[in-house]
Amino acid sequence: NAGVTQTPKFRILKIGQSMTLQCTQDMNHNYMYWYRQDPGMGLKLIYYSVGAGITDKGEVPNGYNVSRSTTEDFPLRLELAAPSQTSVYFCASSYEENTEAFFGQGTRLTVV
Amino acid sequence: AQTVTQSQPEMSVQEAETVTLSCTYDTSESDYYLFWYKQPPSRQMILVIRQEAYKQQNATENRFSVNFQKAAKSFSLKISDSQLGDAAMYFCAYRSAISGGSNYKLTFGKGTLLTVNP
Repeated sequence: NAGVTQTPKFRILKIGQSMTLQCTQDMNHNYMYWYRQDPGMGLKLIYYSVGAGITDKGEVPNGYNVSRSTTEDFPLRLELAAPSQTSVYFCASSYEENTEAFFGQGTRLTVV
Repeated sequence: AQTVTQSQPEMSVQEAETVTLSCTYDTSESDYYLFWYKQPPSRQMILVIRQEAYKQQNATENRFSVNFQKAAKSFSLKISDSQLGDAAMYFCAYRSAISGGSNYKLTFGKGTLLTVNP
């Protein structure tokens, strides 16, 4: 059982470039999340989705966009990358009734 | 808004000894969930233990146990018989039990880096 899979694991972007972080889960979870983790900090919620076709902003959504066309996939789009977006990004998923969140292995993104 | 505070940026323990990591939180809700996550150098976030606020009994998972003090809003993690593989960053996290929307998000503390000395 793969769980939550994120790609890529590492990426270096130049300022102003765009990219999409991929996330897919095979647990049929309704809820999916994108978090970012900055050095010395806990994770902050960027965007979340409660089901296919439904997304909403979290605490730090500026500079990002998401879509949820299927239950399995929840890609995160970075437009016009900035150095402030250098971080480790985690995708997670959970059942509505189940409180446990399952995390992907993270993507380390550096914007130079 | 809920906040989670971990006052110990770093802790160290000798192999086979016991260590306690502290966590306090602030909330006006009466029903919620608390978690400890482990993040080893591999970066994977691994759930260690969870506690439902309506349960008075402290959760236990093998060598890991919690001391949940609801009135004091305290949720500490005790690791017994520490092993080298326990070395990691440990995050305390809060989740609302209220249904709907971003209430299902996790609010994290800043983490405690645990070193295990052989």
